[in-house]
Amino acid sequence: DIQMTQSPSSLSASVGDRVSITCRTSQSINTYLNWYQQKPGKAPKLLIYAASNLQSGVPSRFSGSGSGTDFTLTISSLQPEDSAIYYCQQTYGMSYSFGQGTKLEIK
Amino acid sequence: EVQLVQSGVEVKKPGESLKISCKGSGYSFTTYWIGWVRQMPGKGLEWMGMVYPGDSDARYSPSFQGHVTISADNSITTAYLQWDSLKASDSAMYYCARDGDSGSGSYDYWGQGTLVTVSS
Repeated sequence: DIQMTQSPSSLSASVGDRVSITCRTSQSINTYLNWYQQKPGKAPKLLIYAASNLQSGVPSRFSGSGSGTDFTLTISSLQPEDSAIYYCQQTYGMSYSFGQGTKLEIK
Repeated sequence: EVQLVQSGVEVKKPGESLKISCKGSGYSFTTYWIGWVRQMPGKGLEWMGMVYPGDSDARYSPSFQGHVTISADNSITTAYLQWDSLKASDSAMYYCARDGDSGSGSYDYWGQGTLVTVSS
């Protein structure tokens, strides 16, 4: 199994801040890494696929980077509606898995 | 419009069987993998497994292998997640999701979720 370590587990930031969330995998997964946003009571929403590709309809303040074992989700200018839990997901091979999640709070 | 519509809330007793569904529409159902994801109360997302409706090939997370069965019926464009004998620890929200066009295994469309409560 590929182990995933997402950090931080929670963070608090102000509107307009630049924030980053990292995801590390236990083995190289090339760019088979996706990012999701989940708000309370809702299904997750795809933000970034294949490490750095912005899903259609997602604001351009969201971006992703990385390859191999280290990946980053960045929000360039935090907005109030970005308060949510963010998950990374590896899809290397035929057994996928999610990171533990990062709870993002707006100050 | 792509849609995944899941079956409704379930309340069951330990030891009972259960089959929940996920009906796809607005796309070619047989050519996209459908995945299932568990979310226990207040917890994170857990990938359970997936099925390719085109040939019913199913893959499972080692954590769920042998505990659930994932299947699909192309004639009614519906995927299923089933248990033969539920436990209290199966109480959770279950989501189905479509593995989209990107080739990256990302889930671009999700069902609304099915809440399963197992209690004596």
